[in-house]
Amino acid sequence: DGGITQSPKYLFRKEGQNVTLSCEQNLNHDAMYWYRQDPGQGLRLIYYSQIVNDFQKGDIAEGYSVSREKKESFPLTVTSAQKNPTAFYLCASRDLPGQGAPHEQYFGPGTRLTVT
Amino acid sequence: GQQLNQSPQSMFIQEGEDVSMNCTSSSIFNTWLWYKQDPGEGPVLLIALYKAGELTSNGRLTAQFGITRKDSFLNISASIPSDVGIYFCAGPTGGGNKLTFGTGTQLKVEL
Repeated sequence: DGGITQSPKYLFRKEGQNVTLSCEQNLNHDAMYWYRQDPGQGLRLIYYSQIVNDFQKGDIAEGYSVSREKKESFPLTVTSAQKNPTAFYLCASRDLPGQGAPHEQYFGPGTRLTVT
Repeated sequence: GQQLNQSPQSMFIQEGEDVSMNCTSSSIFNTWLWYKQDPGEGPVLLIALYKAGELTSNGRLTAQFGITRKDSFLNISASIPSDVGIYFCAGPTGGGNKLTFGTGTQLKVEL
């Protein structure tokens, strides 16, 4: 089955530790995205990547880092510099077949990170 | 940046009732997307709209692309308990490379 996998579903860390969230897709999509969602809030873009070895900052990139070494993988590292890291993190992907590509993004199940 | 405001913020409805919600923007969009998010899960795409005035259905859901291109509407007919969740609208920004999401409408169904 094609889809987006995020692991783990729940993650707990101590304050001051870096933590890496996994996102893998087998949809052969070119673009991948990371969002943060706080309770009762909408989705805010952290980073996105449209091609391997290239990525762009979103609206709230501070305290986060990403890599895109493979088309199917886009891991997100939450660093100790992120002031309020506890949140629900969502990964998404999108197909870019060429000019006029549809804008639909498809989401993974999310990872809930709790930092104490 | 562009903001998408959704109304109502939340609503309780009786099972079997029809539901209407909307999404408005201060800027023009050329695409509107509607997503539903179940508690603790990722959003799922419900309907995509690409043309002003377009009316598209997906089962009991119907969405419309406003003719001003600054708004979109989602209707759910004959609500059932599994309609509970948060409904988000979204539109492309950043030259089409990103999506801006609305503030969400939380739907709660009374049995």
